[in-house]
Amino acid sequence: SAVISQKPSRDICQRGTSLTIQCQVDSQVTMMFWYRQQPGQSLTLIATANQGSEATYESGFVIDKFPISRPNLTFSTLTVSNMSPEDSSIYLCSVDPSSGSYGTQYFGPGTRLLVL
Amino acid sequence: AQSVAQPEDQVNVAEGNPLTVKCTYSVSGNPYLFWYVQYPNRGLQFLLKYITGDNLVKGSYGFEAEFNKSQTSFHLKKPSALVSDSALYFCAVRDSNRDDKIIFGKGTRLHILP
Repeated sequence: SAVISQKPSRDICQRGTSLTIQCQVDSQVTMMFWYRQQPGQSLTLIATANQGSEATYESGFVIDKFPISRPNLTFSTLTVSNMSPEDSSIYLCSVDPSSGSYGTQYFGPGTRLLVL
Repeated sequence: AQSVAQPEDQVNVAEGNPLTVKCTYSVSGNPYLFWYVQYPNRGLQFLLKYITGDNLVKGSYGFEAEFNKSQTSFHLKKPSALVSDSALYFCAVRDSNRDDKIIFGKGTRLHILP
C-alpha cells in the first residue's frame, strides 16, 4: 500500500485565481493520477502523471486549465487555473504502487475546493 | 468500453442485519474489479479486489464480495452491519482498453440505522 497526503485539505478561492494542490507519497511510485469528485458524484479522472513524461489528460481536461508537475517519484502538483464556481469539487490524487500490473490504486484524503 | 453499474443510489440497513451493495459490470475479457469506501470528508479507501481465483473475495472491515460471471455481478456484502459502515461505496473496474485506468461506478450511499 501507500500513504498519501495532500495540501491544502480545503480552500475557498475567488474566481479567476489559481490554486496549486500538492500530493506527497511515502514511497516511490511511477504512476500517479488526479481525479475530480463533484458534490455527490463519482470520481472523474483528470490526468495520469507518470514521472519522466508529460501528463496525459482525459477527454474534457486540458493542460492550460489543469497543469500538472511530477518532479520526482514521490511528489506531484495539480494547479486549477483561472477558477470558476464550476471548479468547486474535491480533488484527489492516487497512486498505483504496482505500476499497473493488476494493482490497486490508493487515494489521498482529497482537497476540498470552493470557488466563489 | 468497460463499465460498472451501481443500481442503487442509497441502501438502508438496520444495524446487525446483513448488507448487500450491488454492482454489475460490463467488460471485454477478464474483469479486474474493486470496491472502495469513502467515509465523510475522507478520501477513498480500498476494500477488496477480484483479479482471478476464488469467486468469494474477503476484504477489510469484514466486507466480502462475490464475483458471479454468469450474472456479471460483483456485489459487496457483510454478514452483520455496523453503524460505522455508513459511507459511500464505489465499485470500480480496470479498463484494459484505456491503459488499465480505473473506471468508477456512481456510488451507493449506505445508511446503517441504529
